[in-house]
Amino acid sequence: NAGVMQNPRHLVRRRGQEARLRCSPMKGHSHVYWYRQLPEEGLKFMVYLQKENIIDESGMPKERFSAEFPKEGPSILRIQQVVRGDSAAYFCASSPQGVVTNEQFFGPGTRLTVL
Amino acid sequence: DQQVKQNSPSLSVQEGRISILNCDYTNSMFDYFLWYKKYPAEGPTFLISISSIKDKNEDGRFTVFLNKSAKHLSLHIVPSQPGDSAVYFCAASASGGSSNTGKLIFGQGTTLQVKP
Repeated sequence: NAGVMQNPRHLVRRRGQEARLRCSPMKGHSHVYWYRQLPEEGLKFMVYLQKENIIDESGMPKERFSAEFPKEGPSILRIQQVVRGDSAAYFCASSPQGVVTNEQFFGPGTRLTVL
Repeated sequence: DQQVKQNSPSLSVQEGRISILNCDYTNSMFDYFLWYKKYPAEGPTFLISISSIKDKNEDGRFTVFLNKSAKHLSLHIVPSQPGDSAVYFCAASASGGSSNTGKLIFGQGTTLQVKP
């Protein structure tokens, strides 16, 4: 049973380009969370999605960031017109249900570097 | 606004001794707390959790203590082993009403080094 998969593991972009980060949840999990870890900081919640629905995007920056979790395929975190401050590790986690007492299983992360 | 704080960036202990990692929180709505362990280049791995209706939860070498009045929790690892060397994150969540989405608020992490 494969765990949470994220790709790419490393992504380098120049300022102004777009970054697309993919997350495939564990089999049977329909709830996905995205977190961002800036250097020397803890993980910060960004967005919580169920299939085809954004449930909580209170941690998402208002501009340039978007997320989706389509009926088929992985969840996508999209960052348009990247800036150097977007350089971070982006983790997704999946859960069978969207309640805190259900363990969230984390992927290995995507490390985004903006040149 | 750091709602979950781990004030010790690092901790070093000798193999076989106790490791105590601390965490403070400010939001009184938090009622579920978790500890995650993270190795470099990997995602966090769940270790142990505690609900606010309890003050202690134990799982093998790991025990979490919760002091609600002080808004403080701690993770005890006894005995510590070199393989425990990692970054430990405290996380909190609120289960009430519309807040019960499972989103976690993390502390900054404490790097634990266990020396052989």
